[in-house]
Amino acid sequence: DAGVIQSPRHEVTEMGQEVTLRCKPISGHNSLFWYRQTMMRGLELLIYFNNNVPIDDSGMPEDRFSAKMPNASFSTLKIQPSEPRDSAVYFCASSLREGVLQPQHFGDGTRLSIL
Amino acid sequence: TQLLEQSPQFLSIQEGENLTVYCNSSSVFSSLQWYRQEPGEGPVLLVTVVTGGEVKKLKRLTFQFGDARKDSSLHITAAQPGDTGLYLCAGRTGTASKLTFGTGTRLQVTL
Repeated sequence: DAGVIQSPRHEVTEMGQEVTLRCKPISGHNSLFWYRQTMMRGLELLIYFNNNVPIDDSGMPEDRFSAKMPNASFSTLKIQPSEPRDSAVYFCASSLREGVLQPQHFGDGTRLSIL
Repeated sequence: TQLLEQSPQFLSIQEGENLTVYCNSSSVFSSLQWYRQEPGEGPVLLVTVVTGGEVKKLKRLTFQFGDARKDSSLHITAAQPGDTGLYLCAGRTGTASKLTFGTGTRLQVTL
């Protein structure tokens, strides 16, 4: 079975540009999570969806960030306008369902550099 | 905000040595997971512990959940270069799906 697929793997863009990160969760998984990882702050949850509905977006840094999940097999994280401090590795993860025992399966991340 | 502090932050040891990584919080967790992350990849789940005092073994790795469910430890026996990576603990409170990740321990095992 394919794991969580993220694209692009790397993105370098100039400050002020719009950035769109994409994620395809594991087929049949109902929960999807977006994380950001930096050296300073570690791995932080930005937002998570259950059955395509956003459940908790308290980790989204500011209005420049938005996330959508139009269907069970696709999600996007958009940054507009981007700033140098948004540079990080962004991970998408999915789990079969909600629950304290559920493992999260991570993609390989998108390394984002904002110049 | 729950905070999960891991110690040590960095650990460089030789093959064959033993080590312990700690994960501490002031919050009570309903479950705690340990993940390992290798460069260029996402974290991969190693284990989930749920009951206070629980001990789980995975080959040379031993995981323990504290009695009060506020802390956990990971012990590796006879470390190998393949154990090199970033080790992350992650906890959940209540019935939430939301995971709070620890600060991470970067382990390097050399020959």
